[in-house]
Amino acid sequence: AQTVTQSQPEMSVQEAETVTLSCTYDTSENNYYLFWYKQPPSRQMILVIRQEAYKQQNATENRFSVNFQKAAKSFSLKISDSQLGDTAMYFCAFIDNYGQNFVFGPGTRLSVLP
Amino acid sequence: DTGVSQDPRHKITKRGQNVTFRCDPISEHNRLYWYRQTLGQGPEFLTYFQNEAQLEKSRLLSDRFSAERPKGSFSTLEIQRTEQGDSAMYLCASSRQGLWGYTFGSGTRLTVV
Repeated sequence: AQTVTQSQPEMSVQEAETVTLSCTYDTSENNYYLFWYKQPPSRQMILVIRQEAYKQQNATENRFSVNFQKAAKSFSLKISDSQLGDTAMYFCAFIDNYGQNFVFGPGTRLSVLP
Repeated sequence: DTGVSQDPRHKITKRGQNVTFRCDPISEHNRLYWYRQTLGQGPEFLTYFQNEAQLEKSRLLSDRFSAERPKGSFSTLEIQRTEQGDSAMYLCASSRQGLWGYTFGSGTRLTVV
């Protein structure tokens, strides 16, 4: 069974600074997808970024980028120029190639401080 | 595209009562998923439908839980004889085949007192 681990329950960062959230996962699959989701107090899970395991190039979306290390089974999220609106729970998630259901990590609560 | 809608947003019920939640997926999405999220945890998969067929159920889905998706459109999740341990956020998501357009709703927060 796949598992996802996020070792940082809470983190904080000053506005405009950079922060990195950690995620490791365990799977025997070779083809899969990894995601970072954001869940603000409004509760809706919002997709931040996704990475296909067969792609070596790290995904980027504006201020968000990942460091995907397939051999180490590591998938960290870097948020540059942090904004107050980035304050939320961040979940790392794994889905296999069949795309049936996500396995989520326990989340990291990020606070961006003014 | 109005997104995934869930109703109600909040539900408080007494232990032992039955509750039913509704999820309306994005109209062209043929897959619909239910997840449960307890406080301080990530969502856990419960079940999913492809059209009207329920294709997978987690062992988290005890006999007191039942989900339906008649006609492959909206879905309902019913919990019978609720217990305090059922208190959680119940999230619905939908997608087209595979991961295309995978979208979550805002959830129904259930409190069993």
